[in-house]
Amino acid sequence: SQQGEEDPQALSIQEGENATMNCSYKTSINNLQWYRQNSGRGLVHLILIRSNEREKHSGRLRVTLDTSKKSSSLLITASRAADTASYFCVTIFNQGGKLIFGQGTELSVKP
Amino acid sequence: EPEVTQTPSHQVTQMGQEVILRCVPISNHLYFYWYRQILGQKVEFLVSFYNNEISEKSEIFDDQFSVERPDGSNFTLKIRSTKLEDSAMYFCASREFLNQPQHFGDGTRLSIL
Repeated sequence: SQQGEEDPQALSIQEGENATMNCSYKTSINNLQWYRQNSGRGLVHLILIRSNEREKHSGRLRVTLDTSKKSSSLLITASRAADTASYFCVTIFNQGGKLIFGQGTELSVKP
Repeated sequence: EPEVTQTPSHQVTQMGQEVILRCVPISNHLYFYWYRQILGQKVEFLVSFYNNEISEKSEIFDDQFSVERPDGSNFTLKIRSTKLEDSAMYFCASREFLNQPQHFGDGTRLSIL
């Protein structure tokens, strides 16, 4: 399928711990993006990594991309209760730019 | 920071009625999208719009649906003769250029009774 597949489906950690979420995809990409969705709310773009990049940082977020393995990971360091949300990796396959979402990883950070 | 705004936040409509969901994309953006999310399910692409025409649509986007950019700021999704299964969150998104992130609104929760 075109969509990214996130793993694990659910992750529960304590505040202050690191959270790692993984994503696999099946076709070649131009870039890969991570989005967050708080319950009942819209999607918030977190970070975009291009196919020629291997790692990217944004605040407490670190994203890696391995195009040879067609996989990406999102690391959230020093997690906070406010990080509780669903996280999606999304790839763009065509010039129209539609996003194809998987089921996401549901992260729960307990205070 | 500029935002995509959607109205109303919640719309309750009788089955068979027409509904119009409204979106104001970010002003300098050129590409516009509608997605929907049925409760407990994935976010699904509906349609993309560029240069005043539909550039791509999914199999969900049948004759019941239409989109319009009636003026320089609004982007609307019309659903004719609504069905119970149209109940979902509908998200509008926009972006400035290709390979740029899409910015999403907070969605309209559509409830069909």
